[in-house]
Amino acid sequence: KAGVTQTPRYLIKTRGQQVTLSCSPISGHRSVSWYQQTPGQGLQFLFEYFSETQRNKGNFPGRFSGRQFSNSRSEMNVSTLELGDSALYLCASSRGDSHEAFFGQGTRLTVV
Amino acid sequence: GQQLNQSPQSMFIQEGEDVSMNCTSSSIFNTWLWYKQDPGEGPVLLIALYKAGELTSNGRLTAQFGITRKDSFLNISASIPSDVGIYFCAGQLRGGSQGNLIFGKGTKLSVKP
Repeated sequence: KAGVTQTPRYLIKTRGQQVTLSCSPISGHRSVSWYQQTPGQGLQFLFEYFSETQRNKGNFPGRFSGRQFSNSRSEMNVSTLELGDSALYLCASSRGDSHEAFFGQGTRLTVV
Repeated sequence: GQQLNQSPQSMFIQEGEDVSMNCTSSSIFNTWLWYKQDPGEGPVLLIALYKAGELTSNGRLTAQFGITRKDSFLNISASIPSDVGIYFCAGQLRGGSQGNLIFGKGTKLSVKP
C-alpha cells in the first residue's frame, strides 16, 4: 500500500511569489491535514480537509490556503511568500474516523 | 494556543540503555500519538493510545496514556544506534477536530555505540 506522497520534495522561491504544494493521501483515506515545521516553532497545524471541505483551520494568515479534490488529493497554496515561510511542509492523511495520522516526507520550501 | 510540554529536549545515551521521555499538558486529550522523525523525512507513527491508563507496546517501545488524560510517556528499552532521531508526542484535544493534532517540541535522541 503506497504511503502519503508529497510533491515536490524541494522548492526555492523568491519573496512575493506564490507556491502550490501537492499531497496524495493513502488510498482510502479521506482526511488530509497540513502542518508547517520550523526549528523554532516545531510542528504547527495549518488546516484539515475532509471530503473536499475544510474541517478545521489553524492560526495562520489568509495567505495560506488549501483545497481537496474528489479523489482526496490535496493542494496547499501560499501567496505573497515571506522569508519566514521557509519551512518543511508536511501533510498527513487519515481515514477520517481515526486519529492515526500518517505523514508524507514533506516539501522543503526555501524563500530567498 | 494549546501546547504540549515534552521532556527532555535531548538525550545522549549509551547503546543498550533504556530511554524514557514524556509529554504533559494542562488540557485533557482524547488521543495520544508518538512519532519518530529522521532528518529530512516526515514523522513516522510509532504508537497510538486511545484510553486513559492504556499501556501499548511496539517491539522495544512502550507508551502509556496517563490516567488524568493530561500526560503520556514513551519508553525505549535496550536502545540501538538506529533509534537515533527526534521523537514527538502528539495529541488530539477533547472536543477537537480529528485532523488537528497538537505536537510537543520533540526529544532528540543520540545513541553512542
